[in-house]
Amino acid sequence: DTGVSQDPRHKITKRGQNVTFRCDPISEHNRLYWYRQTLGQGPEFLTYFQNEAQLEKSRLLSDRFSAERPKGSFSTLEIQRTEQGDSAMYLCASSLAGGAGEFFGPGTRLTVL
Amino acid sequence: KQEVTQIPAALSVPEGENLVLNCSFTDSAIYNLQWFRQDPGKGLTSLLLIQSSQREQTSGRLNASLDKSSGRSTLYIAASQPGDSATYLCAVRKGTQGGSEKLVFGKGTKLTVNP
Repeated sequence: DTGVSQDPRHKITKRGQNVTFRCDPISEHNRLYWYRQTLGQGPEFLTYFQNEAQLEKSRLLSDRFSAERPKGSFSTLEIQRTEQGDSAMYLCASSLAGGAGEFFGPGTRLTVL
Repeated sequence: KQEVTQIPAALSVPEGENLVLNCSFTDSAIYNLQWFRQDPGKGLTSLLLIQSSQREQTSGRLNASLDKSSGRSTLYIAASQPGDSATYLCAVRKGTQGGSEKLVFGKGTKLTVNP
């Protein structure tokens, strides 16, 4: 296992379309996080899972956003009816419980036209 | 609400110089603090993690200190190299006992090391 992977790396879509991103964490990590980063800003927390349970969601995560981690392994983040303001880098990270530190994936760059 | 501020926003130095990046946070009740490096268009690479009970951590040419009571951390880079050019992000975690919650990030310091 070489680290956290994300797919796709880049996604261009038209406004109003739905998109889904996938994150594969480091295999033994039970915590998985999603962050969003816009140009010139630090990442902002969206949500996190411990195993398959979604434990916290940010207010940034509107009703158009949904995240799942069905078997406690990989996770998906879906955005419905995309808007131009959704254009950002979506970052996934994983860690062991207990504050050992997150390992981040390369991110998915979303552009909404 | 936790807020993290990084100063300066950008820094340009000649190769070989020692430098300090600053991070401050408003709520001192943190579980730990992490420094990350981000290259343009890429994900984050963890550099150093300091637990709330620790004062500093070192890795190679990097040294990070933490003064929790004053809400400050510094990242010291010795003998800077052009390859150190990147954005450096500071992030704090407010966790409960044994817990690990979200990271709150600063906006970063963009470092350019000139050959």
